[in-house]
Amino acid sequence: AQSVTQPDIHITVSEGASLELRCNYSYGATPYLFWYVQSPGQGLQLLLKYFSGDTLVQGIKGFEAEFKRSQSSFNLRKPSVHWSDAAEYFCAVGARAGGTSYGKLTFGQGTILTVHP
Amino acid sequence: DVKVTQSSRYLVKRTGEKVFLECVQDMDHENMFWYRQDPGLGLRLIYFSYDVKMKEKGDIPEGYSVSREKKERFSLILESASTNQTSMYLCASSLIRSGTDGYTFGSGTRLTVV
Repeated sequence: AQSVTQPDIHITVSEGASLELRCNYSYGATPYLFWYVQSPGQGLQLLLKYFSGDTLVQGIKGFEAEFKRSQSSFNLRKPSVHWSDAAEYFCAVGARAGGTSYGKLTFGQGTILTVHP
Repeated sequence: DVKVTQSSRYLVKRTGEKVFLECVQDMDHENMFWYRQDPGLGLRLIYFSYDVKMKEKGDIPEGYSVSREKKERFSLILESASTNQTSMYLCASSLIRSGTDGYTFGSGTRLTVV
């Protein structure tokens, strides 16, 4: 079965600083990978996704993520954080067709980002 | 834009009550999902559906059931609510079964069982 681990429950950064949120997955082949963001009181919004090809993917709001097969990781990065980026971030993994978990996304525990002025 | 609407933002129910959480999407998506969200546990899949009248168990289906009589509506039912079902419930839909189009989420229903 697929699984996702986000090792950091809570991260605090200063506005303007760089950001990296960690995500490690467990899956037997190359999975589909996603990052979602949840602002307070809202549902989740898709930031970016990886299926295949270029391992560095660009998303909305200036975010990017890099797929590293050797490390089973899909870390989210942003070069300069804005106060409006404060939210909870979720990494998710999906199985490819033929897998027993096909069609289901499995989410990590989430990382809460606090931004100090 | 696809919109996923959950009928209630907040609900308070008593232990033992039968509870219905409603979710409607307006873009003809085939696939719909119910997750519950708890601090430190992330989102956990309760049930999902790929077609009308079709349902499949997710990772934590115990104590829940679902109904999908129409394509646009996916209801989550708590047959006999218990305090350990106090949680945030999120509905989502997607056009493509793999989810590679990205799920569209509703704003959630925060259920408190007293």
